[in-house]
Amino acid sequence: DTAVSQTPKYLVTQMGNDKSIKCEQNLGHDTMYWYKQDSKKFLKIMFSYNNKELIINETVPNRFSPKSPDKAHLNLHINSLELGDSAVYFCASSRREANEQYFGPGTRLTVT
Amino acid sequence: QKEVEQNSGPLSVPEGAIASLNCTYSDRGSQSFFWYRQYSGKSPELIMSIYSNGDKEDGRFTAQLNKASQYVSLLIRDSQPSDSATYLCAVKPPGGSYIPTFGRGTSLIVHP
Repeated sequence: DTAVSQTPKYLVTQMGNDKSIKCEQNLGHDTMYWYKQDSKKFLKIMFSYNNKELIINETVPNRFSPKSPDKAHLNLHINSLELGDSAVYFCASSRREANEQYFGPGTRLTVT
Repeated sequence: QKEVEQNSGPLSVPEGAIASLNCTYSDRGSQSFFWYRQYSGKSPELIMSIYSNGDKEDGRFTAQLNKASQYVSLLIRDSQPSDSATYLCAVKPPGGSYIPTFGRGTSLIVHP
């Protein structure tokens, strides 16, 4: 049983397109996150979502938007994709108080 | 500005040696500390968490925390080539924020 799953694993698309990445966790956690890991391997928090409280990293362009239909899902929608959006995107989840995060397998996004 | 600093490495150790990975943090009062291992092309995996000053041992891994000096370290005894990976330090800041700050990671190479 996969604890945190993401789809798709690979995403190749052209500049200007809109795309979504889906994330689901079956751990019963109450908090989910999206991270971006660039080519230098730095793991940068983009969003966290807990009980309808959304915390946004202010450096994230508003072309990126998280959508959470329920506690087990946090999807990432990206509008007007740019070359600089190419990276690996990780979803993670945790219990809010515990902070021990469990990561999904990642989605490698390539914008051409 | 919350900062978590790690030497990017690579740290190269022979098989069977002790690998010592260090992490310093700027936010005095931080309470929760985590070590993640990330193999190339894979997602981060939680290997240790530590909350109190002193040592915490789990198999070949020992986490050491010194809040007065604001550093946390990870020792890997009897290093194996399979331990070759990037090790990420994460620190939960004090106060209401539950989002940990990640360091940039230290690359460890264990050579036979």
